[in-house]
Amino acid sequence: RKEVEQDPGPFNVPEGATVAFNCTYSNSASQSFFWYRQDCRKEPKLLMSVYSSGNEDGRFTAQLNRASQYISLLIRDSKLSDSATYLCVEGQLTFGSGTQLTVLP
Amino acid sequence: NAGVTQTPKFQVLKTGQSMTLQCAQDMNHEYMSWYRQDPGMGLRLIHYSVGAGITDQGEVPNGYNVSRSTTEDFPLRLLSAAPSQTSVYFCASSGGGLADTQYFGPGTRLTVL
Repeated sequence: RKEVEQDPGPFNVPEGATVAFNCTYSNSASQSFFWYRQDCRKEPKLLMSVYSSGNEDGRFTAQLNRASQYISLLIRDSKLSDSATYLCVEGQLTFGSGTQLTVLP
Repeated sequence: NAGVTQTPKFQVLKTGQSMTLQCAQDMNHEYMSWYRQDPGMGLRLIHYSVGAGITDQGEVPNGYNVSRSTTEDFPLRLLSAAPSQTSVYFCASSGGGLADTQYFGPGTRLTVL
């Protein structure tokens, strides 16, 4: 069983929509979680760290639910430039397979 | 700062050939790691290092060797290339430990025929 699981999508949403991704993890002792963004054929880049109290950066909000062992990423007011694959990471070394997002004009 | 650099960007090998993928960082980061990315599989950890002279295996280490003689460099060696090693390889570094932001190189796209 993969330690970090994500819905691969693809998620196709219109511009301006709100979209949410979830990611489940199996290691209950994990302390650090992250969301990375990866554009097509490019390297992953850090989008957000996920804190126990949640983390918000502009249109992006990340939440951690320890009881159910999942983290979430919410994107509000989607832009065309948000189109990418979003990777969930547990402990910095375990990556999910990624969720593909396409924002449509 | 150049950040994390990787060479070559593209490589085609024949089965059985060996080669070294180069990775260097100029941020004085202690932690470095190698991943491979295959379609639908996400990034899988091959080897990592927590400092010069210290390396450890990740999830998929077979067929790969690493060494860390300096803080800056972390080369990945393919001993005898196999078609199953066709993939995109990313090197990453982190300054604050394994719980800190990782900075990735641009990747090496390897095809083994």
